[in-house]
Amino acid sequence: LAKTTQPISMDSYEGQEVNITCSHNNIATNDYITWYQQFPSQGPRFIIQGYKTKVTNEVASLFIPADRKSSTLSLPRVSLSDTAVYYCLVGDPRRYGQNFVFGPGTRLSVLP
Amino acid sequence: DSGVTQTPKHLITATGQRVTLRCSPRSGDLSVYWYQQSLDQGLQFLIQYYNGEERAKGNILERFSAQQFPDLHSELNLSSLELGDSALYFCASSAGGLNEQYFGPGTRLTVT
Repeated sequence: LAKTTQPISMDSYEGQEVNITCSHNNIATNDYITWYQQFPSQGPRFIIQGYKTKVTNEVASLFIPADRKSSTLSLPRVSLSDTAVYYCLVGDPRRYGQNFVFGPGTRLSVLP
Repeated sequence: DSGVTQTPKHLITATGQRVTLRCSPRSGDLSVYWYQQSLDQGLQFLIQYYNGEERAKGNILERFSAQQFPDLHSELNLSSLELGDSALYFCASSAGGLNEQYFGPGTRLTVT
């Protein structure tokens, strides 16, 4: 089971790019990296998923180096509404018995 | 709106009691997941069902049980409730494979 480490909190200002890094040194060969966003008292919401190199969608980019021991979620030009907790999840959703460990997450505060 | 529904929204009960939380997955999703989120524990994975069968088990107590019915809705049963069981309980669903999880709005359980 891949253990993940993320910064507990980060501050940013509106309009800036925010990069949140997740360390997962013992990631397994078939594991994927998935990021979720959670607002207070709401369920987490999927942001992006990747296996290697770079993945981009309409809200974020995910950078994964060749050794896959870390990953970086990049949020371009954040706004106040991006204030939330961001979770890095590492595992193989196809695996029987997969334990979905969300960890403590990174609390991002976007300031005006 | 994720398409996942959970009932009830709020539940207040006394220690020692038993409650049932209900989840209806998104249309077509075969996988259902249950999570517990309390202030001091973060988001804890409890159990996953896929098409009626248990697929993965996380930190689920023996006092807790779950099942997924033929119509794919799921129920989480919590018995001999303790004060520490007070938390937000989320249900999520996915189509399986590498597809992301969609979370419901949660059930807030308060044990007094």
